[in-house]
Amino acid sequence: AQSVTQLDSHVSVSEGTPVLLRCNYSSSYSPSLFWYVQHPNKGLQLLLKYTSAATLVKGINGFEAEFKKSETSFHLTKPSAHMSDAAEYFCVPGRQAGTALIFGKGTTLSVSS
Amino acid sequence: SAVISQKPSRDICQRGTSLTIQCQVDSQVTMMFWYRQQPGQSLTLIATANQGSEATYESGFVIDKFPISRPNLTFSTLTVSNMSPEDSSIYLCSVGGGSGTVSYEQYFGPGTRLTVT
Repeated sequence: AQSVTQLDSHVSVSEGTPVLLRCNYSSSYSPSLFWYVQHPNKGLQLLLKYTSAATLVKGINGFEAEFKKSETSFHLTKPSAHMSDAAEYFCVPGRQAGTALIFGKGTTLSVSS
Repeated sequence: SAVISQKPSRDICQRGTSLTIQCQVDSQVTMMFWYRQQPGQSLTLIATANQGSEATYESGFVIDKFPISRPNLTFSTLTVSNMSPEDSSIYLCSVGGGSGTVSYEQYFGPGTRLTVT
């Protein structure tokens, strides 16, 4: 089964600088991968998803992620951080239809002015 | 995408009491999932609720403590029974779907923030 590792528990950036949240996956066999975001005191929102259609996936709020088979990575990036990007981010592997997504420890993004 | 609402959004309860959380979806879905998020932690799956059958619970969660109802394809409830302070968490309802071997994304409700005193 697919599993992921988020390499950083906490990332701090300054407003206007690039964001990089790292996620490595374990298996390239028919993977589907998701990035979710949870803002403080809010529910989870799907940022973007990869389902083999295209390696570069664009999501909401200017985020994108690139599926790199050679590096087994699916890092989340944004060219310029905004204060509103401060949140918890989860890289989540897809599972068989009808089964629940399993969440690991996420990455906390802090944005300073 | 599915729009999910939960009631209540938050509550403060006394230990030993029970709270029922409602989850309403704006479309018919086969599978509904309940998660718990303890303070500062990630999400933990409590159970999967399929309409017309008993919920399937994950290891560490039992029906007596977290009874679930799934009366139709748009609604589910989760009850947290005989609460203790350790039950203080955010409880999230989620729906998903899809077919074949590729899972589709899940959509989440806003959560119910429970504090047990």
